[in-house]
Amino acid sequence: QKEVEQNSGPLSVPEGAIASLNCTYSDRGSQSFFWYRQYSGKSPELIMFIYSNGDKEDGRFTAQLNKASQYVSLLIRDSQPSDSATYLCAVRTGSGGSYIPTFGRGTSLIVHP
Amino acid sequence: KAGVTQTPRYLIKTRGQQVTLSCSPISGHRSVSWYQQTPGQGLQFLFEYFSETQRNKGNFPGRFSGRQFSNSRSEMNVSTLELGDSALYLCASSFGTGDYTFGSGTRLTVV
Repeated sequence: QKEVEQNSGPLSVPEGAIASLNCTYSDRGSQSFFWYRQYSGKSPELIMFIYSNGDKEDGRFTAQLNKASQYVSLLIRDSQPSDSATYLCAVRTGSGGSYIPTFGRGTSLIVHP
Repeated sequence: KAGVTQTPRYLIKTRGQQVTLSCSPISGHRSVSWYQQTPGQGLQFLFEYFSETQRNKGNFPGRFSGRQFSNSRSEMNVSTLELGDSALYLCASSFGTGDYTFGSGTRLTVV
C-alpha cells in the first residue's frame, strides 16, 4: 500500500512568516511530486511539481525534494492570509505510461494577520 | 482558456440506483482522471483515461467504471449506489504528465 503522509495541522503562522509544509512517502520508486492547494469548498489547484532532488522555486513557493529520505516539502515565503487553505501533497509512481497518483490527506494552513 | 467542466454539480440519488457523471477536459488534454474525495479518506484515485483507453485504475470495486470518447470527454458511472458512495467526485485533465487541472466536482449524495 503506497502511502503519502502529511501532518493534518492546522499549521498557524503569522502574516509575513515562512510556512513550511512537509510530506513523506513510502514508495521509493516514486518519480514525480506535486503540491496542490485546496480552498474550502473548492477543487484542488496545482501549485508546483518537482521531479529531481533539490529545490525548485516559483515566486513565493519553494518545493524541496529529498528522495533518499523520502520527503518533499513546500515552503511559502511572506505568507499571506489568502494562502490559508489545505495543501495536498501528491506522489506519482509507475512506469511505461502507467502512473498512479497517491494524495496525502492534506495540511491545513492558517495565516493570521 | 476554458477549464475542466463537470456536470452536474449536485446529485441526489437513492441507494441501489446508478449514476453517470460527465467531464469535459481542457482543450488539447488527452488524459482524464477521476477522484473521489471524502472527509474520511481524502482524495482517492479512481481511474485515468488516455486517448480513449483506461491507462490506470485505483483500488475501487467494479461498480465504478468509466469511459472516454474520441473528443477526450469522459464519463464515470457508478452502479448499485451505496450510502458510502456519497462524496465529491473530481475530474482532472492533463497532457499526461501528471500536472492535473481539476474541475469543480460533482457532489453526490446517496440517500
